[in-house]
Amino acid sequence: GDSVTQMEGPVTLSEEAFLTINCTYTATGYPSLFWYVQYPGEGLQLLLKATKADDKGSNKGFEATYRKETTSFHLEKGSVQVSDSAVYFCALGMNYGGSQGNLIFGKGTKLSVKP
Amino acid sequence: DSGVTQTPKHLITATGQRVTLRCSPRSGDLSVYWYQQSLDQGLQFLIQYYNGEERAKGNILERFSAQQFPDLHSELNLSSLELGDSALYFCASSTGTLPPEKLFFGSGTQLSVL
Repeated sequence: GDSVTQMEGPVTLSEEAFLTINCTYTATGYPSLFWYVQYPGEGLQLLLKATKADDKGSNKGFEATYRKETTSFHLEKGSVQVSDSAVYFCALGMNYGGSQGNLIFGKGTKLSVKP
Repeated sequence: DSGVTQTPKHLITATGQRVTLRCSPRSGDLSVYWYQQSLDQGLQFLIQYYNGEERAKGNILERFSAQQFPDLHSELNLSSLELGDSALYFCASSTGTLPPEKLFFGSGTQLSVL
């Protein structure tokens, strides 16, 4: 079935370091891909998305490119801040079959940024 | 503020009991989703409703049931509770278009089964 695999955490970085969180997916078709972020004590919020191959989603300095050939959607940021500390979830959404309309999430990667 | 309201925020109960979690979606959203978040399983999709009808079903146990009412709010009923049901339960809503677009999440209900 459709699934998302993202790198295990936790990830600890110093402020201004470069961030990469890997995400790969398995899907029978061409899903939409998303990154969501969960700050402590809150629900998930959409960070960015891409709906087709080679699309790049970007928001708040974060970027991810939809790579069909490698079935990947890695999240990157050039210079992280303490306020980026959160749990990051990669997700895919299908528009057909039993999963249509809902999002399938990876297990999440906890990021801690130290000053 | 996502516009999605979940009540209660915290729930403490005993094994064997039954509880009801409530969700009010964002104004105008027709689709409601329920997710269970636990440390070992991550974020697991339970069930989705669209305009009162079940649209998709995930890893929802037979002891669990849900419904969406005509005013579009939704309830998740958990019965014969076990210790392993302790988790954070999220509700999310969306317009329901396909392919799925942005989901708006509530702050969750923390369920503790003692």
